[in-house]
Amino acid sequence: TQLLEQSPQFLSIQEGENLTVYCNSSSVFSSLQWYRQEPGEGPVLLVTVVTGGEVKKLKRLTFQFGDARKDSSLHITAAQPGDTGLYLCAGALLNYGGSQGNLIFGKGTKLSVKP
Amino acid sequence: EAQVTQNPRYLITVTGKKLTVTCSQNMNHEYMSWYRQDPGLGLRQIYYSMNVEVTDKGDVPEGYKVSRKEKRNFPLILESPSPNQTSLYFCASSRQPFYEQYFGPGTRLTVT
Repeated sequence: TQLLEQSPQFLSIQEGENLTVYCNSSSVFSSLQWYRQEPGEGPVLLVTVVTGGEVKKLKRLTFQFGDARKDSSLHITAAQPGDTGLYLCAGALLNYGGSQGNLIFGKGTKLSVKP
Repeated sequence: EAQVTQNPRYLITVTGKKLTVTCSQNMNHEYMSWYRQDPGLGLRQIYYSMNVEVTDKGDVPEGYKVSRKEKRNFPLILESPSPNQTSLYFCASSRQPFYEQYFGPGTRLTVT
């Protein structure tokens, strides 16, 4: 069972379009991270959200953590070819006793932005 | 520059020939881990190490070994590689397991 479900799996859009990708779970997370992975490279952290309902902006990227801390979304405004890559969400489970364990990664959304 | 290095970046080998992929970090991180990334399966954790004294299995440890003799290095060892270990491998480090992960550039391994 995949604890973190990302959708869509693939997304191909034209430059200038807006898009939203989702990261959903039935589990509660103490924090959630978003990474971007470009071809031939390792994932690089974009943002960490820790508070339910939190919204963070990174230039044209807007990240939201769900109120119940079970889901998150990434919205890109006016996508550019440089946004092309694999977007991964990763969560730290809120376990009994407060321990957070290892990060759990979703399978990712592969985004292609065509000029 | 803060970084995680892996070597080699590309490796083609034959079934059964032992190999080691090295990983080194210069950020004094306690936590290090290895992942494999396969199409449709995402990133799956192979092994992790909380510090030089503690190493434990991740989700897919079969066929792999690791060693953490010093804080900065965390090599991945395949004693007898098989074709199903053909994959893209990433080493990562962080201050704690649920903090920001710093990934290496990846090692693409092909076992024939």
